[in-house]
Formats: sequence, C-alpha cells, structure tokens
Amino acid sequence: AQSVSQHNHHVILSEAASLELGCNYSYGGTVNLFWYVQYPGQHLQLLLKYFSGDPLVKGIKGFEAEFIKSKFSFNLRKPSVQWSDTAEYFCAVTRGYGNKLVFGAGTILRVKS
Amino acid sequence: DTGVSQDPRHKITKRGQNVTFRCDPISEHNRLYWYRQTLGQGPEFLTYFQNEAQLEKSRLLSDRFSAERPKGSFSTLEIQRTEQGDSAMYLCASSAPARQGLPEAFFGQGTRLTVV
Repeated sequence: AQSVSQHNHHVILSEAASLELGCNYSYGGTVNLFWYVQYPGQHLQLLLKYFSGDPLVKGIKGFEAEFIKSKFSFNLRKPSVQWSDTAEYFCAVTRGYGNKLVFGAGTILRVKS
Repeated sequence: DTGVSQDPRHKITKRGQNVTFRCDPISEHNRLYWYRQTLGQGPEFLTYFQNEAQLEKSRLLSDRFSAERPKGSFSTLEIQRTEQGDSAMYLCASSAPARQGLPEAFFGQGTRLTVV
C-alpha cells in the first residue's frame, strides 16, 4: 500500500532559523508530490507541488521542496522562518492526474518570536 | 467567498443517529473529494466524484456511509447509525478539469462531527 511518512510530528524553531521537514513515500512508480499547510483555524492550502521537470520546486511564502527520486523523498525547506509560519504541514502524494491524495500524518511547526 | 463551502461546520449527534453533511465545490470544478481527518493524522481519502459519477470509494467507507453528487454540483455525505468512531473532521475538496499541468485540490474548512 502507498504510504507517506513525515519524520517529525512537532518542530519548534525560533524566528530566522532554517526549516527542513522530511517526507518519504513508499510508492515506486510515477508520483505527484504536494505540500499543504494548515494555519490555525483555516483550511488546507497548497504550498507547492511537483509532477515533472526541475526537481527543486519553489512555492509560496518562500518555501521550496526538493524531489529526490532515489531516496523517495520530497523534503520541504525554508531558509528563514517567521512567526506567521506557525502551522501544520502535510506532505501528500498522488499517482497520475487527479487521483486521491495520500497524506502523511503532518508536522506541527511552532515558531517562537 | 468563492472557495469550497461546507455545512455545517460543527455537528454533535447521539450515537445511532443519522447525519448529513453538504459540500459546495468551487464553481466549474468537475472533481469533488471527501476526506476524513482524525486527531494527529493527515486526511484520509473516502471517495471522489467526477461530475455526478462516483468513481472511487475507499474501503474506509463502510455501508453506513453514502455520498451523492446528484447534479454534478454540490455533494452530500450521509452517515447512518453513527458510532463514536465516526467522530472526526470531514473535509471536502474540489479540483478543476486538467487543461494544463496538475490541478490543485482546494479544500473546505471541514465539518467537525462529534458522536456522543
């Protein structure tokens, strides 16, 4: 069965620190990869997505992610976090176009001001 | 607000009762998805529609669950004879037809169900 693993459930950082959230998936075929963010009290929003091309994907709010096929990974990074980045972050995978998203368990990020 | 709309936002029901949730997708989005999210977990896929056709159902969707999208616009998710284990956030998402690239799924704010 296809699964998505996020390495950390809770991360606490100070403002201006660098962020890297790990994501690994188990499926060996062609995948599409996503990072979603859920700010407190809000709905899930797309941060960035990868389906082909340059494995380094840039998203909104200064986030980026790198797809490393050999490692089945799609880690999320941001060089300098802000207090407003406090949220829960979900990695997700689909196979092919428009199929169901398979989500990881999420990582709760708290940024201390 | 022209995003995905879900109603109600919160529902408390007694065990054994039936509940129905509604989702209004973004206009012209032909795909509509239902997910369920429990505490400490990511959303889990339940079912999806392309227009009015229900194309896939998860094994998580027991016989007590039924979803409809009668005119290819809004959708309803009904849970019959609710159990405490049904307590969760029920999320709806919609996506546009693929014209270019991979379409994004837009999520609603969810309906939080508590079965007491």
